[in-house]
Amino acid sequence: QVQLVESGGGVVQPGRSLRLSCAASGFTFTSYGIHWVRQAPGKGLEWVAVISYDGSKKHYADSVKGRFTISRDNSKNTLYLQMNSLRAEDTAVYYCAKEYASGWADYWGQGTLVTVSS
Amino acid sequence: EIVMTQSPATLSVSPGERATLSCRASQSVSSNLAWYQQKPGQAPRLLIYGASTRATGIPARISGSGSGTEFTLTISSLQSEDFAVYYCQQYNNWPPLTFGGGTKVEIK
Repeated sequence: QVQLVESGGGVVQPGRSLRLSCAASGFTFTSYGIHWVRQAPGKGLEWVAVISYDGSKKHYADSVKGRFTISRDNSKNTLYLQMNSLRAEDTAVYYCAKEYASGWADYWGQGTLVTVSS
Repeated sequence: EIVMTQSPATLSVSPGERATLSCRASQSVSSNLAWYQQKPGQAPRLLIYGASTRATGIPARISGSGSGTEFTLTISSLQSEDFAVYYCQQYNNWPPLTFGGGTKVEIK
C-alpha cells in the first residue's frame, strides 16, 4: 500500500533552517510528482511546493519562494524540503502528498510539525 | 491566483440527513476541482477529483457536481464517520494550487 512518512519537524528559532524528509513506498516513486502542503494550527490547507517526477520542474508558493527548496532523491524514494530563514508564520504541520495527475493528490502522509519560535 | 470560497463555514446536520457543501471559484476552473475530507489529527483524504469522480473506496453517498465557478459536495445520508472538515481545491490554473477555507460538518 502507498505510504508517505514525513520526518524532520521540530522547534526552531526564527531565521534558522530545517530540512524535512518524506519517505515513500508502495508505488513507483519515479513516476509521480510530489507536493508539500502545510496547515497552520487551527487553519486551512496551504500549498507550498511541487516537484515533478524526475526533479526537473519545481514550483513554489510566493510565501516561501527564495527561502524553501524542494528536491528529491529517486534512488532513495525520498522527497525533501529545505527550509531556510524560517519565520513564525511558517509554523505548521507539513504534509507531503503524491500527485496522481496534474494538481491533485491521491495520498497524503501524516505530517510533521514545524514550530518556529524563540 | 484563483480564490476558492467555501460556504457555510460550519454545517450542523443530524445523522441520516443530507449535507450540501458549496465551493465557489473566483474564475472558471472548468472541472478541475478536488474535494478532500480531514478529521482531527489526520491527514486530508481525497474524496472527489474532476469535480464529480469519486476516488477509490469513497462510498456512493458522497457525490460532487458543478463546473466553471460553482461546485457542490453532497453527502446524501450522513454517517458518524462523515463528521469532519471538507476542503475544495482547484487545479485548473496553477501554480499556485489553491484551497478553500473549509467547511466543518458537525453533529446537530
